[in-house]
Amino acid sequence: DGGITQSPKYLFRKEGQNVTLSCEQNLNHDAMYWYRQDPGQGLRLIYYSQIVNDFQKGDIAEGYSVSREKKESFPLTVTSAQKNPTAFYLCASSTGTSAYNEQFFGPGTRLTVL
Amino acid sequence: KNEVEQSPQNLTAQEGEFITINCSYSVGISALHWLQQHPGGGIVSLFMLSSGKKKHGRLIATINIQEKHSSLHITASHPRDSAVYICAVSQGNLIFGKGTKLSVKP
Repeated sequence: DGGITQSPKYLFRKEGQNVTLSCEQNLNHDAMYWYRQDPGQGLRLIYYSQIVNDFQKGDIAEGYSVSREKKESFPLTVTSAQKNPTAFYLCASSTGTSAYNEQFFGPGTRLTVL
Repeated sequence: KNEVEQSPQNLTAQEGEFITINCSYSVGISALHWLQQHPGGGIVSLFMLSSGKKKHGRLIATINIQEKHSSLHITASHPRDSAVYICAVSQGNLIFGKGTKLSVKP
């Protein structure tokens, strides 16, 4: 089945450690996105990529890094510089970045930093 | 002021009731999306609108571009409709509302 996978579903890390969240899609989509969701807030864009080997900062990129070496994969690293990393992280993909493109979301990873 | 406002924040309904969730936005947009987030966290896209009205099963979405307002209606609500419904507007990237948490009681 085509879709987006994120692993793991729950992730625990100690403060000061970097952690990488995986996102894989087999939809042959060019564009991929990372969002952060906090209780009582709307999703906020961290990074997005329109094509392999290219990515752009979103609204809250500080403390995060990404790579896009393959079309299928868009991993997100939460670095120790991110001040409040505990959150629910969602990856999405779409055929393009037009306003009319539907985004398909992964199941999310809940990161807790202890 | 948030660019996308949803109301109500929380909604409890009895099974069978007609439900309306509202979304107002303050920016110029190309399209508006309605999304559904299940209790486990997964999000699915329900509708993408740039004008008029769309219907899918018991769900109806409308948009008034001049008034910068959209509504999502659920007819004959069912407990399985319990979820968070999210409005998002697009100028390119998506700007999300905070969501409306719907609980439908049997």
